[in-house]
Amino acid sequence: DQQVKQNSPSLSVQEGRISILNCDYTNSMFDYFLWYKKYPAEGPTFLISISSIKDKNEDGRFTVFLNKSAKHLSLHIVPSQPGDSAVYFCAASPGTTSGTYKYIFGTGTRLKVLA
Amino acid sequence: EAQVTQNPRYLITVTGKKLTVTCSQNMNHEYMSWYRQDPGLGLRQIYYSMNVEVTDKGDVPEGYKVSRKEKRNFPLILESPSPNQTSLYFCASSLFAGYGYTFGSGTRLTVV
Repeated sequence: DQQVKQNSPSLSVQEGRISILNCDYTNSMFDYFLWYKKYPAEGPTFLISISSIKDKNEDGRFTVFLNKSAKHLSLHIVPSQPGDSAVYFCAASPGTTSGTYKYIFGTGTRLKVLA
Repeated sequence: EAQVTQNPRYLITVTGKKLTVTCSQNMNHEYMSWYRQDPGLGLRQIYYSMNVEVTDKGDVPEGYKVSRKEKRNFPLILESPSPNQTSLYFCASSLFAGYGYTFGSGTRLTVV
């Protein structure tokens, strides 16, 4: 049972345009969400997070939106740059409400930014 | 440089031969975790540790052991590796649970 789903395995975007990566989750106990970026032959790197008490968090070109009623979050990258080409994972945790800290990751979306 | 160091980066072994993948972090992080990455399945948590001598199972703990005797080290032990444990393994740490992880560079394990 995949509790965190990234339904788009890949996405191509022109340089300078907006990239929107989507993530859906099924467990209403999740209260903390993170996005990671992964280049080939490297470990994932933390990008941005959001707590369930917020619906938006922004860091430079990256913004994460959380829609709790729809159990949906999205990562917006504006403007997209070729260096953003990577695999993006979303992750969720029920940590603060359940006392457990098991992060559940999605299967990833491969973003390709075309120059 | 703040980092999580895993060794080895690549390992080919035979079924049943015990092995240990080491993980060390130099950031004084309390929380550490092991993940495996498989095609179409994303990153799945094997074990995690909230602090020294405190460990708990993740989603796919079968066939693995861990220990946390020191804050900086969190080795992953495969007592009797099998081919279905062929995977890409990542160690990660964070200041405390709920913070973003710092991941190691990965260990690609092949069990034949």
